Amino acid sequence: DVQMTQSPSNLAASPGESVSINCKASKSISKYLAWYQQKPGKANKLLIYSGSTLQSGTPSRFSGSGSGTDFTLTIRNLEPEDFGLYYCQQHNEYPFTFGSGTKLEIK
Amino acid sequence: QVTLKESGPGMLQPSKTLSLTCSFSGFSLSTSGMVVSWIRQPSGKSLEWLAAIDWDGDKYYNPSLKSRLTVSKDTSNTQVFLKITSVDTADTATYYCARSRDHGGFAYWGQGTLVTVSS
Repeated sequence: DVQMTQSPSNLAASPGESVSINCKASKSISKYLAWYQQKPGKANKLLIYSGSTLQSGTPSRFSGSGSGTDFTLTIRNLEPEDFGLYYCQQHNEYPFTFGSGTKLEIK
Repeated sequence: QVTLKESGPGMLQPSKTLSLTCSFSGFSLSTSGMVVSWIRQPSGKSLEWLAAIDWDGDKYYNPSLKSRLTVSKDTSNTQVFLKITSVDTADTATYYCARSRDHGGFAYWGQGTLVTVSS
């Protein structure tokens, strides 16, 4: 299985700031990395897939980069609704695997 | 509009078989490239992909649980099922079904159904 190492586990930032979340795969997954946002009471939301492709409806302040084993999710100009849990997931091969998650909190 | 909804027993006893149903609308699982997966999340923990079935009827399983899992779909391609045998307390989690397409991520998720394994 491809192990996904996500960092940091916790992140505190203020609205208007920029943050980055990293995800490292235990072997190359080409470009096939997705990012999700999870909030209580809401369906999990796909933000980015294939490393850098924004899912329809994802605001342009979100961006993804990387290929091979190292990937980054960057959120610029944080909005209050951006706070929550974020997960990375490799969709290159079965079994699909997720990172351990990053909790983005308001400072 | 694509929607998915999971249903399950809520609670069951250890050693029993867990049966879950994913009812969906807004797409056909017989369309080329469509895949429905089952994913679970214990409270406070990360997500674990369990199994998938694709438009062609091919099935994929997490090797760590493969001997206990069976994924299937109905002939009308509007429901996907998951059975997990010999459950124990470690199977307590919220279970989600989600749709992906071709080589993409899970663009659509259900709200999840909480399953508690307890005697």
